[in-house]
Amino acid sequence: DGGITQSPKYLFRKEGQNVTLSCEQNLNHDAMYWYRQDPGQGLRLIYYSQIVNDFQKGDIAEGYSVSREKKESFPLTVTSAQKNPTAFYLCASSTLPGTGVEQYFGPGTRLTVT
Amino acid sequence: AQKVTQAQTEISVVEKEDVTLDCVYETRDTTYYLFWYKQPPSGELVFLIRRNSFDEQNEISGRYSWNFQKSTSSFNFTITASQVVDSAVYFCALSTSGNTPLVFGKGTRLSVIA
Repeated sequence: DGGITQSPKYLFRKEGQNVTLSCEQNLNHDAMYWYRQDPGQGLRLIYYSQIVNDFQKGDIAEGYSVSREKKESFPLTVTSAQKNPTAFYLCASSTLPGTGVEQYFGPGTRLTVT
Repeated sequence: AQKVTQAQTEISVVEKEDVTLDCVYETRDTTYYLFWYKQPPSGELVFLIRRNSFDEQNEISGRYSWNFQKSTSSFNFTITASQVVDSAVYFCALSTSGNTPLVFGKGTRLSVIA
């Protein structure tokens, strides 16, 4: 089955630790995206990548880092610099170019930092 | 700048009632695309519909219908004879020219009560 997988579903970390969220897709999509969702805030874009080895900051990139070494994979690292990392994180992908194409979403990872 | 406004934060209806979710968008581009997504309690966003700026015809898919009006910059979504399974958060999104990611509204949480 084609789709996007995110693991794990739930993740718990202590404050001050970096944590990496996994996102893999087998849809052969060129573009991949990371969003953060907080209650009442909708989806806010963290980073996106339109091609391997290239990525752009979204609206709330501070405290996050990404890599795109393979077309299928776009991991997100939440660093200790992120002031309020507890949130629901969604990964998405789409064909390229981006105009007019829908994004497909993974099931999400709920990160809790205490 | 692009912006999507979903003024209704939460809506609650009784099963079999009709319900309309509002979406108002802002863009200076003449070519753009509008989307609706559904986010059930499981968390994964499900694509529902895409509309381009040159096609103002309303669309119906089963119990779902969409009303696109450029004159009021609105792309409203109506569910007819709502069911409990329609309970979810619904997001409206906008894509404009260039390889830019979707811009999402903050979502409307719909609760359908049996």
